[in-house]
Amino acid sequence: AQKITQTQPGMFVQEKEAVTLDCTYDTSDPSYGLFWYKQPSSGEMIFLIYQGSYDQQNATEGRYSLNFQKARKSANLVISASQLGDSAMYFCAMREGINNAGNMLTFGGGTRLMVKP
Amino acid sequence: DTGVSQNPRHKITKRGQNVTFRCDPISEHNRLYWYRQTLGQGPEFLTYFQNEAQLEKSRLLSDRFSAERPKGSFSTLEIQRTEQGDSAMYLCASSFGQSNEKLFFGSGTQLSVL
Repeated sequence: AQKITQTQPGMFVQEKEAVTLDCTYDTSDPSYGLFWYKQPSSGEMIFLIYQGSYDQQNATEGRYSLNFQKARKSANLVISASQLGDSAMYFCAMREGINNAGNMLTFGGGTRLMVKP
Repeated sequence: DTGVSQNPRHKITKRGQNVTFRCDPISEHNRLYWYRQTLGQGPEFLTYFQNEAQLEKSRLLSDRFSAERPKGSFSTLEIQRTEQGDSAMYLCASSFGQSNEKLFFGSGTQLSVL
């Protein structure tokens, strides 16, 4: 089974509107962390937001927020007030386990977001 | 520049040749990671170092691949006898090493094997 599933290969959003990028995950480990990264055409992966499995509140970072629904094993990224510069690939990733001393991440297949002017 | 630096940005080689990539992490980071990303996919973990020690290797890392991090600073990833299936973006990342910590990625080396 896929550890991280991103079901939207591509998404369009109108500039200044909000958009939700979906991510579901699969783990039996009670301790895990979820990350979102942005990858523009330059290739560099840019960290956006982090949510720990024991965090009580949804994470927020500026225009980014994470809609964490633990029972559904989903960690959707919400981008508010989209900007043209938000056009990029977006990856959801998971770090599993307290024994994952190396902090290795498993990534989903990504969603390409295109912001329309 | 205090980010993760990777060289070269692009590498074109013929099948059967050896190639080497270099990664310079953020100077105070003690962990360094290599990931591989093929077109249309998310990155896949290859290996990581804590200082100079290589502590984990993925099954994706065949015997033709070798990574080093002498003195716990920069790292090199060498691929021997390249195959067309090795064509991918090779990403390097570094971190302080805490469990919830974000990885800082470089811009990658795009390898094309002809």
